[in-house]
Amino acid sequence: DAGITQSPRHKVTETGTPVTLRCHQTENHRYMYWYRQDPGHGLRLIHYSYGVKDTDKGEVSDGYSVSRSKTEDFLLTLESATSSQTSVYFCAISLLATQETQYFGPGTRLLVL
Amino acid sequence: GQQLNQSPQSMFIQEGEDVSMNCTSSSIFNTWLWYKQEPGEGPVLLIALYKAGELTSNGRLTAQFGITRKDSFLNISASIPSDVGIYFCAGQLGNNNDMRFGAGTRLTVKP
Repeated sequence: DAGITQSPRHKVTETGTPVTLRCHQTENHRYMYWYRQDPGHGLRLIHYSYGVKDTDKGEVSDGYSVSRSKTEDFLLTLESATSSQTSVYFCAISLLATQETQYFGPGTRLLVL
Repeated sequence: GQQLNQSPQSMFIQEGEDVSMNCTSSSIFNTWLWYKQEPGEGPVLLIALYKAGELTSNGRLTAQFGITRKDSFLNISASIPSDVGIYFCAGQLGNNNDMRFGAGTRLTVKP
């Protein structure tokens, strides 16, 4: 298994509170991604990073921000959580820009009440 | 955004049967990928397809990249109980980081 961990694995929070999810890798891969998974939508890209301090928006970036201060860590922040952000969040890492080399983490289940 | 239509949504089959699922889109994709996801886990890549018409196998799994580049199918032969899970297709658009996923096919295999 690729060395990807996500924390926390489960979280319940209230609307309006800030939430930060962490993705940690031990593979030294350059590319890191945050996805959300919702019934009927498959996986949708939120943000991705192509290096330390280099990030870009994905398909569903509104309401989310990211930071990558070290190669191994990619943080996803919900500044003010909303119920529509209830989802399962997956981090992925990739050695190359082409995503067929992508490995996914175990996921974080977030419930916003 | 570009949608991938994956069908069927779910399948209930007997062990030993063959399975077929597909993804279609109105958009042209440069790469098609097929993933499997088990409960509580992230998706795991099964097969990657890179050019129109390509047919690739991985054990009992076979996938094809459609000639029009707008579709792909995945076949599983002689299903076994451990094939249970959700199968996702994904298509990569021109930008390397622009990948779209289908909604998944949930496979149940009865012994």
